[in-house]
Formats: sequence, C-alpha cells, structure tokens
Amino acid sequence: DVKVTQSSRYLVKRTGEKVFLECVQDMDHENMFWYRQDPGLGLRLIYFSYDVKMKEKGDIPEGYSVSREKKERFSLILESASTNQTSMYLCASSSRQGAWEKLFFGSGTQLSVL
Amino acid sequence: QKEVEQNSGPLSVPEGAIASLNCTYSDRGSQSFFWYRQYSGKSPELIMFIYSNGDKEDGRFTAQLNKASQYVSLLIRDSQPSDSATYLCAVNTESNFGNEKLTFGTGTRLTIIP
Repeated sequence: DVKVTQSSRYLVKRTGEKVFLECVQDMDHENMFWYRQDPGLGLRLIYFSYDVKMKEKGDIPEGYSVSREKKERFSLILESASTNQTSMYLCASSSRQGAWEKLFFGSGTQLSVL
Repeated sequence: QKEVEQNSGPLSVPEGAIASLNCTYSDRGSQSFFWYRQYSGKSPELIMFIYSNGDKEDGRFTAQLNKASQYVSLLIRDSQPSDSATYLCAVNTESNFGNEKLTFGTGTRLTIIP
C-alpha cells in the first residue's frame, strides 16, 4: 500500500521558533509538494520539488523554505514561526511531471503557533 | 482573479438525487482537471480526472469539461449520505519556471440529506 508519512499529526510551537515538518514517501515518486489548508482558502501550494535538490516556490512561499536531500524525503522549514502560520500542512507526492498522475497525500500536520 | 473558483456551499442535496458541483478556471493552457474528495479531518483523495472535452463517467460520478468556457463540473448520481464531504477542483497550471503544478479551488461542501 502506497504511503506518504508526515512526522507529526499535531504540533504546538512558540512564535520565533524554527520548525521542521518532515514528509517521507515510499513510492519512489519524483514529485513532492507542500500545501497548507485554511478554512475558506482551500489548499495553497507553498513549495514543490521535481527532483532531489531541486525546489521551486509555489504560490505562498514567504516565511518557508524546503529541503530535499533524498528522493523520498521532503522537509518544510519555518525559519521563524509566526501565528499566521498556524494551519494544516499537507504533504503530497506524485509519480511524474508533464502527464499528471494522481497526488497522494499524507495525513497532515496541524500546526499551532502560539 | 483566482485561478480556480468554486462555490463554497454548503450544497444540500436529498438522498438519491443528483448533486452538481461546478468549477471555473482562468488558465487557458490548462490541460488536466481533477476532482478530489475530502472528508472532515481527512486528507483529499482523487475521485475523477478528465483531460478531454466532454463527459467522463465512472460509476455514479461523471466529470464534464468545456475548455472553451473554461468550466469543469462533477455530477454525482443517486447521492448517498457517504458522499457528504468537501469536493476540491484542481487544475494543472504552469509555474514561473515552466514546471507544472496543481492549483486547487477552495472546495464545495456537499451535504446529502437522508
């Protein structure tokens, strides 16, 4: 069974902390994505990656960075957490670029920044 | 202008009736269109995709695409209480560096009334 695993289901952090959200997929997918989901705003793309060490900004990259050192792992980093980054964070992966395949989502991380 | 627009609902439909969900998109270059279903507290899951103008049927679900009008819809026949969920429309769009990314609408919340 295919799997996208996010390291934490719930996370509480303080303003100014550096926060790491980890995502691992076991499907050998090339493409990985980080979205955040907020009520009324839907899913918004933060960053994505089509290859190891390759990254591209999505629609709302401000305040975030990413790291992809290995194909199966894609990390989202909040350099200095702020209260407006309180959200549900969803990681996803898919198998190839160009001809779109299905996105597989992780179970999400609900981050609260106090 | 938002890239992908959906009526947020809620949309209430009696059990056994047809539920009709609509989505418009702004990028004329988009080629791939998806419908994801998201139950409360869960991650989105793909239920339909469509690439060509016209209708595509899969069981009780029919996706309809009209590229000239930049419109995609999802029909659910014989609606069941288990269809109650938020339905997300997603469209492929091109990033600033020419990579493809998936842009989601804000979702339509559907409630099937027994």
